[in-house]
Amino acid sequence: GAGVSQSPRYKVAKRGQDVALRCDPISGHVSLFWYQQALGQGPEFLTYFQNEAQLDKSGLPSDRFFAERPEGSVSTLKIQRTQQEDSAVYLCASSLRDSQLVNTEAFFGQGTRLTVV
Amino acid sequence: GNSVTQMEGPVTLSEEAFLTINCTYTATGYPSLFWYVQYPGEGLQLLLKATKADDKGSNKGFEATYRKETTSFHLEKGSVQVSDSAVYFCALRSGGYNKLIFGAGTRLAVHP
Repeated sequence: GAGVSQSPRYKVAKRGQDVALRCDPISGHVSLFWYQQALGQGPEFLTYFQNEAQLDKSGLPSDRFFAERPEGSVSTLKIQRTQQEDSAVYLCASSLRDSQLVNTEAFFGQGTRLTVV
Repeated sequence: GNSVTQMEGPVTLSEEAFLTINCTYTATGYPSLFWYVQYPGEGLQLLLKATKADDKGSNKGFEATYRKETTSFHLEKGSVQVSDSAVYFCALRSGGYNKLIFGAGTRLAVHP
Protein backbone atom coordinates (compact mmCIF):
# COMPACT_ATOMS: atom_id res chain seq x y z
CA GLY A 1 0.00 0.00 0.00
CA ALA A 2 0.90 3.63 -0.25
CA GLY A 3 0.78 4.48 3.44
CA VAL A 4 2.47 3.42 6.66
CA SER A 5 1.16 0.02 7.66
CA GLN A 6 1.13 -1.32 11.22
CA SER A 7 0.25 -4.76 12.49
CA PRO A 8 -1.51 -6.05 14.37
CA ARG A 9 -4.16 -3.35 14.69
CA TYR A 10 -5.19 -4.69 18.08
CA LYS A 11 -3.27 -6.78 20.59
CA VAL A 12 -4.38 -8.08 23.95
CA ALA A 13 -1.56 -9.37 26.13
CA LYS A 14 -1.53 -10.91 29.56
CA ARG A 15 0.64 -9.13 32.07
CA GLY A 16 4.17 -10.46 31.82
CA GLN A 17 3.84 -11.54 28.20
CA ASP A 18 6.23 -10.29 25.51
CA VAL A 19 4.78 -8.52 22.45
CA ALA A 20 6.14 -7.44 19.07
CA LEU A 21 4.59 -4.66 17.02
CA ARG A 22 5.41 -4.25 13.35
CA CYS A 23 5.70 -1.15 11.19
CA ASP A 24 6.03 -1.08 7.40
CA PRO A 25 7.01 2.47 6.43
CA ILE A 26 6.37 4.09 3.09
CA SER A 27 8.80 2.68 0.56
CA GLY A 28 11.96 4.76 0.29
CA HIS A 29 11.42 6.67 3.52
CA VAL A 30 14.68 7.02 5.38
CA SER A 31 13.34 8.14 8.74
CA LEU A 32 11.11 6.11 11.02
CA PHE A 33 9.60 7.08 14.38
CA TRP A 34 7.70 5.30 17.11
CA TYR A 35 5.27 7.12 19.40
CA GLN A 36 3.15 6.00 22.34
CA GLN A 37 -0.33 7.47 22.75
CA ALA A 38 -2.07 6.87 26.06
CA LEU A 39 -5.84 7.18 26.21
CA GLY A 40 -6.92 10.81 25.97
CA GLN A 41 -3.37 12.07 25.48
CA GLY A 42 -1.24 13.19 22.60
CA PRO A 43 1.43 10.94 21.13
CA GLU A 44 4.75 10.84 22.95
CA PHE A 45 8.04 10.18 21.16
CA LEU A 46 9.73 6.86 21.82
CA THR A 47 12.52 6.40 19.30
CA TYR A 48 13.90 7.42 15.90
CA PHE A 49 15.72 5.57 13.13
CA GLN A 50 17.55 6.89 10.15
CA ASN A 51 17.84 3.89 7.86
CA GLU A 52 18.96 1.06 10.17
CA ALA A 53 20.64 3.34 12.70
CA GLN A 54 18.75 4.11 15.89
CA LEU A 55 19.77 7.71 16.44
CA ASP A 56 17.52 8.59 19.35
CA LYS A 57 15.93 6.26 21.90
CA SER A 58 15.51 8.84 24.63
CA GLY A 59 11.74 8.33 24.84
CA LEU A 60 11.76 4.59 25.56
CA PRO A 61 10.22 4.37 29.04
CA SER A 62 12.23 1.41 30.33
CA ASP A 63 14.68 -1.27 29.30
CA ARG A 64 11.69 -3.52 28.62
CA PHE A 65 11.17 -1.57 25.41
CA PHE A 66 13.35 -2.36 22.43
CA ALA A 67 13.10 -1.29 18.79
CA GLU A 68 14.97 -2.42 15.73
CA ARG A 69 15.09 -1.74 12.00
CA PRO A 70 17.75 -4.16 10.80
CA GLU A 71 17.52 -3.57 7.04
CA GLY A 72 16.47 0.05 7.13
CA SER A 73 12.88 -0.69 6.16
CA VAL A 74 10.48 -2.64 8.40
CA SER A 75 10.73 -1.89 12.09
CA THR A 76 9.66 -3.86 15.15
CA LEU A 77 8.91 -2.48 18.59
CA LYS A 78 9.23 -5.16 21.23
CA ILE A 79 7.95 -4.89 24.76
CA GLN A 80 9.10 -7.49 27.24
CA ARG A 81 7.20 -8.52 30.36
CA THR A 82 4.29 -6.22 29.58
CA GLN A 83 2.70 -4.24 32.39
CA GLN A 84 -0.73 -2.62 32.59
CA GLU A 85 0.80 0.83 32.20
CA ASP A 86 2.04 -0.23 28.76
CA SER A 87 -1.57 -0.21 27.51
CA ALA A 88 -1.68 2.45 24.79
CA VAL A 89 -1.79 2.98 21.05
CA TYR A 90 1.63 2.64 19.48
CA LEU A 91 2.07 4.81 16.41
CA CYS A 92 4.68 4.52 13.72
CA ALA A 93 5.56 7.36 11.36
CA SER A 94 7.96 7.67 8.46
CA SER A 95 9.36 10.54 6.47
CA LEU A 96 11.39 10.75 3.31
CA ARG A 97 14.39 12.37 4.95
CA ASP A 98 15.38 14.57 7.84
CA SER A 99 18.35 16.81 8.31
CA GLN A 100 19.23 20.11 9.90
CA LEU A 101 18.31 21.80 6.63
CA VAL A 102 15.45 19.74 5.26
CA ASN A 103 12.50 18.12 6.98
CA THR A 104 9.82 16.35 5.01
CA GLU A 105 6.35 15.52 6.23
CA ALA A 106 5.95 12.65 8.67
CA PHE A 107 3.20 10.19 7.69
CA PHE A 108 1.56 8.19 10.46
CA GLY A 109 0.16 4.70 10.49
CA GLN A 110 -3.18 3.85 12.12
CA GLY A 111 -1.42 2.45 15.14
CA THR A 112 -1.54 -0.74 17.19
CA ARG A 113 -3.81 -0.65 20.21
CA LEU A 114 -2.17 -2.69 22.97
CA THR A 115 -4.24 -3.72 25.97
CA VAL A 116 -2.47 -5.46 28.83
CA VAL A 117 -4.79 -7.43 31.11
CA GLY B 1 11.87 21.56 28.26
CA ASN B 2 9.69 21.86 25.17
CA SER B 3 5.95 21.50 25.63
CA VAL B 4 2.60 22.20 23.98
CA THR B 5 -0.61 23.16 25.75
CA GLN B 6 -3.94 23.16 23.97
CA MET B 7 -7.45 23.85 25.11
CA GLU B 8 -9.36 20.97 26.57
CA GLY B 9 -12.31 19.53 24.76
CA PRO B 10 -14.69 18.46 23.76
CA VAL B 11 -15.64 21.44 21.66
CA THR B 12 -19.20 21.14 20.39
CA LEU B 13 -20.41 23.41 17.59
CA SER B 14 -23.25 23.69 15.17
CA GLU B 15 -22.53 23.48 11.46
CA GLU B 16 -21.28 26.78 9.98
CA ALA B 17 -20.10 28.08 13.37
CA PHE B 18 -16.70 29.72 13.84
CA LEU B 19 -13.99 27.53 15.36
CA THR B 20 -11.00 28.45 17.49
CA ILE B 21 -8.80 25.89 19.21
CA ASN B 22 -6.10 27.51 21.32
CA CYS B 23 -2.53 26.26 21.36
CA THR B 24 0.47 27.69 23.19
CA TYR B 25 3.98 26.33 23.34
CA THR B 26 7.21 26.48 25.28
CA ALA B 27 10.39 25.84 23.33
CA THR B 28 14.02 26.76 23.06
CA GLY B 29 15.17 28.14 19.75
CA TYR B 30 12.84 28.49 16.80
CA PRO B 31 10.49 25.53 16.53
CA SER B 32 8.29 24.60 13.62
CA LEU B 33 4.61 24.32 14.53
CA PHE B 34 1.97 21.91 13.26
CA TRP B 35 -1.66 20.98 13.51
CA TYR B 36 -2.50 17.32 13.00
CA VAL B 37 -6.00 15.86 12.72
CA GLN B 38 -7.21 12.39 13.60
CA TYR B 39 -10.51 11.40 12.04
CA PRO B 40 -12.40 8.47 13.59
CA GLY B 41 -10.72 5.19 12.73
CA GLU B 42 -7.86 6.84 10.86
CA GLY B 43 -4.25 7.75 11.51
CA LEU B 44 -2.87 11.18 12.26
CA GLN B 45 -2.78 13.47 9.25
CA LEU B 46 -0.90 16.72 8.87
CA LEU B 47 -3.42 19.55 8.55
CA LEU B 48 -1.13 22.58 8.32
CA LYS B 49 2.22 23.88 9.44
CA ALA B 50 4.30 27.04 9.91
CA THR B 51 8.05 27.11 10.15
CA LYS B 52 8.85 30.65 11.27
CA ALA B 53 7.34 33.58 13.11
CA ASP B 54 4.38 35.31 11.43
CA ASP B 55 3.95 32.47 8.93
CA LYS B 56 0.35 31.45 8.35
CA GLY B 57 -0.41 27.83 7.61
CA SER B 58 -3.67 27.02 5.85
CA ASN B 59 -5.49 23.99 4.47
CA LYS B 60 -9.11 22.92 3.93
CA GLY B 61 -10.36 26.26 5.26
CA PHE B 62 -8.34 25.97 8.47
CA GLU B 63 -5.72 28.59 9.35
CA ALA B 64 -3.15 29.14 12.08
CA THR B 65 -0.58 31.92 12.49
CA TYR B 66 2.76 31.43 14.23
CA ARG B 67 2.89 34.13 16.90
CA LYS B 68 6.27 34.25 18.55
CA GLU B 69 5.42 37.16 20.85
CA THR B 70 2.58 35.19 22.43
CA THR B 71 4.08 31.73 21.76
CA SER B 72 0.80 30.67 20.21
CA PHE B 73 -0.49 28.83 17.15
CA HIS B 74 -4.28 28.93 17.43
CA LEU B 75 -6.34 26.96 14.90
CA GLU B 76 -9.30 28.73 13.28
CA LYS B 77 -11.98 27.97 10.73
CA GLY B 78 -14.68 30.34 9.68
CA SER B 79 -17.44 27.81 9.04
CA VAL B 80 -17.16 24.25 10.31
CA GLN B 81 -18.82 21.23 8.73
CA VAL B 82 -20.00 17.95 10.23
CA SER B 83 -17.10 16.29 8.40
CA ASP B 84 -14.63 18.34 10.48
CA SER B 85 -15.53 16.30 13.56
CA ALA B 86 -12.23 14.81 14.72
CA VAL B 87 -9.47 15.18 17.29
CA TYR B 88 -7.02 18.00 16.61
CA PHE B 89 -3.45 17.97 17.90
CA CYS B 90 -1.06 20.90 18.08
CA ALA B 91 2.61 19.93 17.85
CA LEU B 92 6.07 21.42 17.63
CA ARG B 93 9.37 20.27 16.21
CA SER B 94 12.56 21.67 17.62
CA GLY B 95 15.74 20.20 16.30
CA GLY B 96 17.09 18.51 13.26
CA TYR B 97 14.56 15.76 12.70
CA ASN B 98 10.84 15.00 12.94
CA LYS B 99 10.76 14.44 16.69
CA LEU B 100 7.37 15.96 17.40
CA ILE B 101 6.02 17.11 20.76
CA PHE B 102 2.23 16.98 20.84
CA GLY B 103 -0.44 18.59 22.92
CA ALA B 104 -3.10 16.43 24.54
CA GLY B 105 -5.55 16.90 21.67
CA THR B 106 -8.92 18.63 21.40
CA ARG B 107 -11.98 16.71 20.30
CA LEU B 108 -14.31 18.65 18.01
CA ALA B 109 -17.90 17.56 17.46
CA VAL B 110 -19.93 19.41 14.84
CA HIS B 111 -23.69 18.89 14.76
CA PRO B 112 -26.01 19.57 11.81
